[in-house]
Amino acid sequence: GAVVSQHPSRVICKSGTSVKIECRSLDFQATTMFWYRQFPKQSLMLMATSNEGSKATYEQGVEKDKFLINHASLTLSTLTVTSAHPEDSSFYICRAVSMGRDTDTQYFGPGTRLTVL
Amino acid sequence: AQTVTQSQPEMSVQEAETVTLSCTYDTSESNYYLFWYKQPPSRQMILVIRQEAYKQQNATENRFSVNFQKAAKSFSLKISDSQLGDTAMYFCAFIIMNRDDKIIFGKGTRLHILP
Repeated sequence: GAVVSQHPSRVICKSGTSVKIECRSLDFQATTMFWYRQFPKQSLMLMATSNEGSKATYEQGVEKDKFLINHASLTLSTLTVTSAHPEDSSFYICRAVSMGRDTDTQYFGPGTRLTVL
Repeated sequence: AQTVTQSQPEMSVQEAETVTLSCTYDTSESNYYLFWYKQPPSRQMILVIRQEAYKQQNATENRFSVNFQKAAKSFSLKISDSQLGDTAMYFCAFIIMNRDDKIIFGKGTRLHILP
Protein backbone atom coordinates (compact mmCIF):
# COMPACT_ATOMS: atom_id res chain seq x y z
CA GLY A 1 0.00 0.00 0.00
CA ALA A 2 0.90 3.64 -0.28
CA VAL A 3 3.42 4.85 2.23
CA VAL A 4 3.25 8.52 1.29
CA SER A 5 -0.03 10.23 0.57
CA GLN A 6 -0.82 13.60 -0.91
CA HIS A 7 -4.02 15.53 -0.57
CA PRO A 8 -5.72 16.67 -2.65
CA SER A 9 -4.87 14.65 -5.73
CA ARG A 10 -6.39 17.29 -7.96
CA VAL A 11 -7.36 20.88 -7.30
CA ILE A 12 -8.77 23.62 -9.47
CA CYS A 13 -8.75 27.13 -8.13
CA LYS A 14 -9.28 30.68 -9.26
CA SER A 15 -6.41 33.02 -9.86
CA GLY A 16 -5.47 34.91 -6.71
CA THR A 17 -6.52 32.25 -4.24
CA SER A 18 -4.22 30.12 -2.10
CA VAL A 19 -4.02 26.37 -2.22
CA LYS A 20 -2.60 24.02 0.40
CA ILE A 21 -1.20 20.61 -0.52
CA GLU A 22 -0.49 18.06 2.19
CA CYS A 23 2.12 15.33 2.10
CA ARG A 24 1.95 12.61 4.74
CA SER A 25 4.25 9.71 5.45
CA LEU A 26 1.93 6.93 6.56
CA ASP A 27 4.08 4.38 8.34
CA PHE A 28 7.45 5.97 8.89
CA GLN A 29 8.85 9.17 10.29
CA ALA A 30 10.10 11.51 7.62
CA THR A 31 12.71 13.88 8.91
CA THR A 32 13.14 15.36 5.47
CA MET A 33 10.57 16.04 2.78
CA PHE A 34 11.27 17.35 -0.67
CA TRP A 35 8.85 19.19 -2.90
CA TYR A 36 9.03 18.99 -6.68
CA ARG A 37 7.06 20.40 -9.53
CA GLN A 38 6.77 18.76 -12.89
CA PHE A 39 5.61 20.30 -16.13
CA PRO A 40 4.18 18.06 -18.86
CA LYS A 41 6.74 15.80 -20.47
CA GLN A 42 9.51 17.18 -18.32
CA SER A 43 11.56 15.95 -15.40
CA LEU A 44 10.97 16.72 -11.75
CA MET A 45 12.30 20.04 -10.60
CA LEU A 46 13.26 20.34 -6.95
CA MET A 47 11.59 23.33 -5.34
CA ALA A 48 12.58 23.03 -1.71
CA THR A 49 13.77 20.79 1.08
CA SER A 50 12.04 20.79 4.43
CA ASN A 51 13.29 19.33 7.66
CA GLU A 52 10.97 18.77 10.57
CA GLY A 53 10.92 21.73 12.89
CA SER A 54 13.06 24.02 10.80
CA LYS A 55 12.65 26.41 7.92
CA ALA A 56 12.60 25.04 4.41
CA THR A 57 15.54 25.49 2.09
CA TYR A 58 14.49 26.72 -1.32
CA GLU A 59 16.24 26.09 -4.60
CA GLN A 60 17.47 29.00 -6.62
CA GLY A 61 14.68 30.73 -8.50
CA VAL A 62 11.88 29.43 -6.28
CA GLU A 63 10.00 32.19 -4.47
CA LYS A 64 9.77 31.29 -0.81
CA ASP A 65 6.98 33.80 -0.20
CA LYS A 66 4.90 32.25 -2.93
CA PHE A 67 5.50 28.62 -2.07
CA LEU A 68 5.17 28.33 1.69
CA ILE A 69 6.40 25.08 3.12
CA ASN A 70 5.73 23.86 6.63
CA HIS A 71 7.05 20.63 8.13
CA ALA A 72 5.42 20.70 11.52
CA SER A 73 5.68 17.02 12.35
CA LEU A 74 7.61 13.94 11.32
CA THR A 75 4.68 12.75 9.24
CA LEU A 76 3.31 15.90 7.64
CA SER A 77 4.62 18.60 5.35
CA THR A 78 2.46 21.16 3.60
CA LEU A 79 3.05 23.27 0.51
CA THR A 80 0.88 26.36 0.17
CA VAL A 81 0.78 28.11 -3.17
CA THR A 82 -0.17 31.67 -2.31
CA SER A 83 -1.96 34.01 -4.68
CA ALA A 84 -1.94 31.35 -7.35
CA HIS A 85 -1.68 32.30 -11.01
CA PRO A 86 -2.21 30.23 -14.14
CA GLU A 87 1.55 29.78 -14.54
CA ASP A 88 1.55 27.95 -11.21
CA SER A 89 -0.52 25.20 -12.79
CA SER A 90 1.61 22.11 -12.57
CA PHE A 91 2.00 18.69 -11.02
CA TYR A 92 3.43 18.85 -7.51
CA ILE A 93 5.13 15.83 -5.98
CA CYS A 94 6.55 15.31 -2.51
CA ARG A 95 9.24 12.87 -1.51
CA ALA A 96 9.69 11.73 2.08
CA VAL A 97 12.94 10.41 3.52
CA SER A 98 13.32 8.69 6.86
CA MET A 99 15.88 9.30 9.56
CA GLY A 100 19.34 7.94 8.98
CA ARG A 101 20.95 7.25 5.67
CA ASP A 102 19.07 4.22 4.42
CA THR A 103 17.97 5.30 1.00
CA ASP A 104 15.52 2.41 0.92
CA THR A 105 13.23 4.41 3.16
CA GLN A 106 12.35 7.16 0.76
CA TYR A 107 9.12 7.36 -1.14
CA PHE A 108 7.37 9.67 -3.51
CA GLY A 109 3.82 10.79 -3.00
CA PRO A 110 1.30 10.23 -5.79
CA GLY A 111 1.33 13.90 -6.74
CA THR A 112 -1.17 16.75 -6.86
CA ARG A 113 -2.36 18.29 -10.09
CA LEU A 114 -2.99 21.99 -9.63
CA THR A 115 -4.94 23.93 -12.21
CA VAL A 116 -5.28 27.67 -11.76
CA LEU A 117 -7.98 29.30 -13.85
CA ALA B 1 28.14 20.09 -10.70
CA GLN B 2 26.23 16.85 -10.51
CA THR B 3 24.39 16.00 -13.70
CA VAL B 4 22.50 13.11 -15.26
CA THR B 5 22.14 12.77 -19.02
CA GLN B 6 19.60 10.60 -20.77
CA SER B 7 20.31 10.87 -24.46
CA GLN B 8 17.16 9.13 -25.70
CA PRO B 9 14.11 11.37 -25.28
CA GLU B 10 11.77 8.76 -26.70
CA MET B 11 11.90 5.10 -27.71
CA SER B 12 9.48 2.53 -29.07
CA VAL B 13 9.83 -1.23 -29.12
CA GLN B 14 7.58 -4.17 -29.83
CA GLU B 15 6.14 -6.16 -26.99
CA ALA B 16 8.40 -9.02 -25.84
CA GLU B 17 11.52 -7.36 -27.21
CA THR B 18 14.47 -6.25 -25.13
CA VAL B 19 15.21 -2.56 -24.82
CA THR B 20 18.11 -0.66 -23.28
CA LEU B 21 17.81 2.86 -21.93
CA SER B 22 21.04 4.77 -21.61
CA CYS B 23 22.16 7.06 -18.82
CA THR B 24 25.40 8.81 -18.04
CA TYR B 25 26.14 10.95 -15.05
CA ASP B 26 28.81 13.22 -13.75
CA THR B 27 30.01 13.54 -10.18
CA SER B 28 33.30 13.86 -8.41
CA GLU B 29 31.99 11.85 -5.48
CA SER B 30 32.81 8.17 -5.08
CA ASN B 31 29.96 7.04 -2.86
CA TYR B 32 26.50 7.35 -4.27
CA TYR B 33 23.35 5.45 -5.17
CA LEU B 34 21.98 5.21 -8.68
CA PHE B 35 18.32 4.69 -9.50
CA TRP B 36 15.94 4.11 -12.31
CA TYR B 37 12.43 5.38 -11.68
CA LYS B 38 9.37 4.66 -13.76
CA GLN B 39 6.57 7.18 -14.11
CA PRO B 40 3.50 5.67 -15.80
CA PRO B 41 0.54 7.77 -16.98
CA SER B 42 -0.73 7.86 -13.38
CA ARG B 43 2.42 9.93 -12.70
CA GLN B 44 3.27 7.99 -9.54
CA MET B 45 7.03 7.66 -9.27
CA ILE B 46 7.93 3.98 -8.96
CA LEU B 47 11.40 2.74 -8.09
CA VAL B 48 12.46 0.19 -10.68
CA ILE B 49 15.97 -0.62 -9.56
CA ARG B 50 18.82 0.83 -7.57
CA GLN B 51 22.56 0.32 -7.49
CA GLU B 52 25.08 1.19 -4.82
CA ALA B 53 28.18 2.65 -6.45
CA TYR B 54 30.50 0.65 -4.21
CA LYS B 55 29.04 -2.63 -5.49
CA GLN B 56 30.57 -4.01 -8.66
CA GLN B 57 27.80 -6.50 -9.30
CA ASN B 58 25.05 -5.18 -11.52
CA ALA B 59 21.64 -4.99 -9.86
CA THR B 60 18.76 -7.02 -11.26
CA GLU B 61 15.04 -7.05 -10.49
CA ASN B 62 13.17 -9.69 -12.46
CA ARG B 63 13.05 -8.41 -16.06
CA PHE B 64 15.01 -5.28 -15.22
CA SER B 65 18.79 -5.17 -15.03
CA VAL B 66 21.44 -2.52 -15.18
CA ASN B 67 24.86 -2.25 -16.74
CA PHE B 68 26.82 -0.14 -14.29
CA GLN B 69 30.19 1.09 -15.55
CA LYS B 70 31.57 3.24 -12.76
CA ALA B 71 34.70 4.40 -14.55
CA ALA B 72 32.68 5.45 -17.55
CA LYS B 73 29.93 6.87 -15.30
CA SER B 74 27.35 4.94 -17.21
CA PHE B 75 24.21 3.31 -15.84
CA SER B 76 21.98 1.79 -18.50
CA LEU B 77 18.71 -0.04 -17.87
CA LYS B 78 17.80 -3.19 -19.77
CA ILE B 79 14.21 -4.32 -19.89
CA SER B 80 13.81 -7.89 -21.08
CA ASP B 81 10.62 -9.39 -22.49
CA SER B 82 9.01 -5.97 -22.51
CA GLN B 83 5.34 -5.72 -21.63
CA LEU B 84 2.65 -3.19 -22.45
CA GLY B 85 2.65 -2.13 -18.81
CA ASP B 86 6.25 -1.02 -19.17
CA THR B 87 5.07 1.95 -21.21
CA ALA B 88 6.10 4.95 -19.12
CA MET B 89 8.58 7.72 -18.62
CA TYR B 90 11.84 6.44 -17.17
CA PHE B 91 14.14 8.64 -15.13
CA CYS B 92 17.73 7.90 -14.25
CA ALA B 93 18.84 9.49 -10.98
CA PHE B 94 21.45 9.45 -8.24
CA ILE B 95 21.99 10.51 -4.65
CA ILE B 96 25.29 11.30 -3.02
CA MET B 97 25.68 9.22 0.14
CA ASN B 98 25.90 11.01 3.48
CA ARG B 99 25.04 14.33 1.92
CA ASP B 100 21.67 16.00 1.64
CA ASP B 101 19.49 13.25 0.18
CA LYS B 102 18.75 15.35 -2.89
CA ILE B 103 18.03 13.27 -5.96
CA ILE B 104 19.57 14.44 -9.21
CA PHE B 105 17.28 13.44 -12.09
CA GLY B 106 17.87 13.08 -15.79
CA LYS B 107 15.37 14.52 -18.23
CA GLY B 108 13.77 11.18 -18.82
CA THR B 109 13.16 8.72 -21.64
CA ARG B 110 9.62 8.13 -22.81
CA LEU B 111 9.26 4.43 -23.61
CA HIS B 112 6.42 3.07 -25.71
CA ILE B 113 5.82 -0.67 -25.81
CA LEU B 114 3.90 -1.49 -28.97
CA PRO B 115 1.48 -4.43 -29.20
